[in-house]
Amino acid sequence: AQSVTQLGSHVSVSEGALVLLRCNYSSSVPPYLFWYVQYPNQGLQLLLKYTSAATLVKGINGFEAEFKKSETSFHLTKPSAHMSDAAEYFCVLDNNAGNMLTFGGGTRLMVKP
Amino acid sequence: ETGVTQSPTHLIKTRGQQVTLRCSSQSGHNTVSWYQQALGQGPQFIFQYYREEENGRGNFPPRFSGLQFPNYSSELNVNALELDDSALYLCASSLATRGGGNEQFFGPGTRLTVL
Repeated sequence: AQSVTQLGSHVSVSEGALVLLRCNYSSSVPPYLFWYVQYPNQGLQLLLKYTSAATLVKGINGFEAEFKKSETSFHLTKPSAHMSDAAEYFCVLDNNAGNMLTFGGGTRLMVKP
Repeated sequence: ETGVTQSPTHLIKTRGQQVTLRCSSQSGHNTVSWYQQALGQGPQFIFQYYREEENGRGNFPPRFSGLQFPNYSSELNVNALELDDSALYLCASSLATRGGGNEQFFGPGTRLTVL
């Protein structure tokens, strides 16, 4: 069985501060991992994905994530938060067969001026 | 390039009724997946259709069923609605390749409320 755990359902940072959203996964096969963002009243949008080519993955809007197999983690970071980053973020695991995504519970990021 | 569209955007039904939700996949995609997102939770996989056949199913009862049409659009049908079926239903399309790691493109969802 596979699972995804996001630590912290709510994270609040000041504008310009470092963003760190934590994700740990459990998988019996080599995982594919994604981070998706969900803005209010909009569909989920892919931020970045890990497919084993490189452990440090760069995505859109200045976000990046590092895959650490030994820690079964895939934390999302951004050096400097912007007000427009306020949204719900989901860490997502692919079952390696391309037909099922397992989502974490989500982390709501709030950015204070 | 047209993205994933879903209809209707909102729907209110009463317990015991049946509902059909529709999804048009992104141009060039041959796979459609459906997810249920309850309030305050992450989406849960319902099932996936590839070339008009079910290609994987999550932990949902048989009253959740689906179809995929030759143009790769899809329907999600839910019979005997229960209050707990109230959720945002998301459709996602993708281009199937061998193995995993395929990006799924999500529609804006249909908000279903069951009274």
